[in-house]
Amino acid sequence: DGGITQSPKYLFRKEGQNVTLSCEQNLNHDAMYWYRQDPGQGLRLIYYSQIVNDFQKGDIAEGYSVSREKKESFPLTVTSAQKNPTAFYLCASSIDSGGSNNSPLHFGNGTRLTVT
Amino acid sequence: RKEVEQDPGPFNVPEGATVAFNCTYSNSASQSFFWYRQDCRKEPKLLMSVYSSGNEDGRFTAQLNRASQYISLLIRDSKLSDSATYLCVVNKGYSTLTFGKGTMLLVSP
Repeated sequence: DGGITQSPKYLFRKEGQNVTLSCEQNLNHDAMYWYRQDPGQGLRLIYYSQIVNDFQKGDIAEGYSVSREKKESFPLTVTSAQKNPTAFYLCASSIDSGGSNNSPLHFGNGTRLTVT
Repeated sequence: RKEVEQDPGPFNVPEGATVAFNCTYSNSASQSFFWYRQDCRKEPKLLMSVYSSGNEDGRFTAQLNRASQYISLLIRDSKLSDSATYLCVVNKGYSTLTFGKGTMLLVSP
């Protein structure tokens, strides 16, 4: 079955440590995205990638980094520079990045990161 | 005006009721519109895209009003399983989508 896999589901880290969240898709989608969701808040875009070896900052990229070395993979690193890293992180993909009604987002089941 | 605005609710309705949510958006150039459903502590899932002429999928009807810059979602014959948060999603330009904070629906027996 095609889909998006995020791992791990829950992640705990100490403050000051970098942590990398995994996102893999086998849908053959060109575009991939990272969102963050805080309680009572909408999803906010961290980074997105329209194609392999290319990515752009979203609305809240500070303190995060990404890579897109393979079409299937779009890992997100939460660095120690991110001031409030505890959140629910969602990875998504879409067929293309045209933003049309024919290219909705498909989400992974998320990673809950807790930093203490 | 916020980019995408929704009434957070909750909307409390009995089973079998009809309920409607509206969502307003600020970018008049937006071309793509979606409704997503999110269950508690889960990822959002696409409910339906919203087309200019309006569209229906079973008990769900979505409408777009470009002049007033809002989209709506109508749910008929509500089921207990419809209880969730409904997210309005609008594209704000090439490749990126903006999510509303969601409207919570609670359907009771």
